[in-house]
Amino acid sequence: AQSVSQHNHHVILSEAASLELGCNYSYGGTVNLFWYVQYPGQHLQLLLKYFSGDPLVKGIKGFEAEFIKSKFSFNLRKPSVQWSDTAEYFCAVILYNNNDMRFGAGTRLTVKP
Amino acid sequence: EPEVTQTPSHQVTQMGQEVILRCVPISNHLYFYWYRQILGQKVEFLVSFYNNEISEKSEIFDDQFSVERPDGSNFTLKIRSTKLEDSAMYFCASSPIGLAKNIQYFGAGTRLSVL
Repeated sequence: AQSVSQHNHHVILSEAASLELGCNYSYGGTVNLFWYVQYPGQHLQLLLKYFSGDPLVKGIKGFEAEFIKSKFSFNLRKPSVQWSDTAEYFCAVILYNNNDMRFGAGTRLTVKP
Repeated sequence: EPEVTQTPSHQVTQMGQEVILRCVPISNHLYFYWYRQILGQKVEFLVSFYNNEISEKSEIFDDQFSVERPDGSNFTLKIRSTKLEDSAMYFCASSPIGLAKNIQYFGAGTRLSVL
């Protein structure tokens, strides 16, 4: 079945540690890829997106993600996390020319000060 | 920065009652969406809406659900006869036309509690 998988349910890091959150999808064809963040009590905010071109995309707040087509992956990275990065992170996929955005289960990131 | 707004933030209802969840999309957006997130589960697509009609819907979006754009600013989700399992966070989203169509902007959500 077509799906989006996020491998880590809960990640706990200390400030200044490096972050990598995994995301794999199982759709064939052209996809648009997204990472959203949800801070406690707030709405989903777009961190970054990949439509085409350079597979390494940079988003807001120092986040970046790399699209590896051969691995069907779109992992999120940040070299040095801050306490304010504590949030839930969602990977999402839309098939090209579709409206149906599929989300991963989310990864909760807790950054200890 | 323009935002998608949803009201109410929390709705409590009795099983079998009808509820209407309201959303005001970003003003120049033409695609509208509803998603839900049952506690502890992933965000799930319900329906997309464009040009005054449903463009896609998931298997979750059965006859109990309906959407409407009653005027130029609101986008509503109606659940006709709520069930306990409808308890969830409901997110509205909107996106513009053109190349940015797939960039969806989300509201803060309405928490629906069915008792």
